[in-house]
Order: sequence, then C-alpha cells, then structure tokens
Amino acid sequence: SAVISQKPSRDICQRGTSLTIQCQVDSQVTMMFWYRQQPGQSLTLIATANQGSEATYESGFVIDKFPISRPNLTFSTLTVSNMSPEDSSIYLCSVARDPTNEKLFFGSGTQLSVL
Amino acid sequence: DAKTTQPNSMESNEEEPVHLPCNHSTISGTDYIHWYRQLPSQGPEYVIHGLTSNVNNRMASLAIAEDRKSSTLILHRATLRDAAVYYCILSIQGAQKLVFGQGTRLTINP
Repeated sequence: SAVISQKPSRDICQRGTSLTIQCQVDSQVTMMFWYRQQPGQSLTLIATANQGSEATYESGFVIDKFPISRPNLTFSTLTVSNMSPEDSSIYLCSVARDPTNEKLFFGSGTQLSVL
Repeated sequence: DAKTTQPNSMESNEEEPVHLPCNHSTISGTDYIHWYRQLPSQGPEYVIHGLTSNVNNRMASLAIAEDRKSSTLILHRATLRDAAVYYCILSIQGAQKLVFGQGTRLTINP
C-alpha cells in the first residue's frame, strides 16, 4: 500500500484567492494524479502530475487555473487559482507505484469551500 | 474510454451476500474491469480487478460474464462498514488514469 498525506484537509477561502494543496507519499511512486469531486458527484480527473515536466491536463482543465508541480517522486502540489464558488469541491491526490501496477491509492482529500 | 452502467443505489441487510452489477457492453479486449469503493468522507479504495477469469480476494469476488459485457462484484457477507459508493471502471492494463462513473450507493441495513 501507499500512505498519502494531503494538506490542508479542509479550507474556507475567499473568491479571487488561490490555494495550494500538497500531496506527500511515504514512498516513491511513478504516477500521481489529481482528481476533483464536486458535491454529490463522482470523481473527475484533473491532470496527471509528471515528475520534472509539465502536467498533462484532461479536457476542461487548464494549467492557468490548476497549476501543478511535481518536483520529485514523492511530492506534488495542486493550486486552485483565482477561486470562485464553483471551485468548491473535494480535491484528491492519487498515486500508482509503477506503470504496471493496477492499483491506485487515494489520499483522503482536501475539502475546499469558496465564499 | 468504454463506459460502464451501474444502478444508482442498492440496499441489503447485514451478514447477507450482496451482488453489485455492472454493464460494460462496449468493453474492448484490452480493458480490465476495476472496482473501487468510497466510504463516507474518504478517498476511494481499491477493491478488486480482473480481465476474463473470476477473481477472489479478501474483500470480495469478481464474477465476469463469458462475453465480458457485464460483471458482478460480490460481497459475501456484508457488514455495516461496507456501506459505500462502489465504482465499476474499465481501464487498459497499466493505464492508471481511471475514469469514474456515478457508481452504486450501497446501503446496509442492520
């Protein structure tokens, strides 16, 4: 298994501000992903965090709004920029140990509320 | 990505078996069938996955139809802690970019 620590666990922010969410894994992993879960909805993949290069974003998500960093094999950050109430969601970090491993491990998420 | 269809909700009683169905009529030959579940206020957790043959692990069993157009997750003896949203997902081997559908919300009655 992989132990994933996400910080903060929750936050309340004002519109127009930005929040950076951190994801720390207890061991090196090859794949890291960021998901969003809007209230009462399923998970939507935002992007794949690539170590040492720009993240790969899914349709509907852009780097200016959700900049992602991944400086090494155990750590990644997701920033939610220029927030609006529509960004109120749970943001989840997910990892896979290696490209052939079929299991994804998820953090417990960051509950974000934008006023 | 091939899509899956699951009932929105199901209800069962404690200590009884639960069969959670999933239809995936457009599945391709390289698609694996994954099941994850999400307990309240937690991130999803892996349950089981398979390709063609039925699979068993300590959490559940996965029964895959011969034509692979459907599958069933079996919880052999449900407990209250099994109350969660269960997601059936198709994914190419080694491609961990999982696309989640709406899932089935399972309620367990004491």
